[in-house]
Amino acid sequence: ETGVTQSPTHLIKTRGQQVTLRCSSQSGHNTVSWYQQALGQGPQFIFQYYREEENGRGNFPPRFSGLQFPNYSSELNVNALELDDSALYLCASSLSAGTDTQYFGPGTRLTVL
Amino acid sequence: AQSVTQLDSQVPVFEEAPVELRCNYSSSVSVYLFWYVQYPNQGLQLLLKYLSGSTLVKGINGFEAEFNKSQTSFHLRKPSVHISDTAEYFCAVTTSGSRLTFGEGTQLTVNP
Repeated sequence: ETGVTQSPTHLIKTRGQQVTLRCSSQSGHNTVSWYQQALGQGPQFIFQYYREEENGRGNFPPRFSGLQFPNYSSELNVNALELDDSALYLCASSLSAGTDTQYFGPGTRLTVL
Repeated sequence: AQSVTQLDSQVPVFEEAPVELRCNYSSSVSVYLFWYVQYPNQGLQLLLKYLSGSTLVKGINGFEAEFNKSQTSFHLRKPSVHISDTAEYFCAVTTSGSRLTFGEGTQLTVNP
């Protein structure tokens, strides 16, 4: 059984560009959550997808958007990148929405120059 | 809305000493509580969780935590730490399960 995987590992972009980050959930999990972790801080909830529908969103602007596919993998898209978007982006999958434990991937380190 | 406060940003200890990492939460409804560990340049690994039942929860790597509803705390403890326990530790809370709210983290440094 494979765990949560994310790609790419590292990414460098410039201000104004767009980026897509990818996440494959753990086998049997239908829920994916995305978090942003700025340097020296705790992760901040961006949004969650449950069976291809958005199921909760944190305090992030609309230029942060996502998708979940029928195989429950997910993408995080960020448009019009800003310097403050530089962070570790973490994906977590869980068996279902609710109180199920979230299992995290290794993250994607995004640097915006 | 819920919030989490980790009372110590850094905790240095000597190897084989006991350690306690403190976590307080705020919520108007029932909560579910988690401790995660993050090693350098890695994602988060679940140490333990409290969903219901016994207030003393045992996790991996010899860690345990106690849920105290009256004091709204969920402190993490280990009786004897190893060098390999050096990492960042995050306390997290959820009420609905759709989002985890994390504290700012506690850097545990175990010195020889």
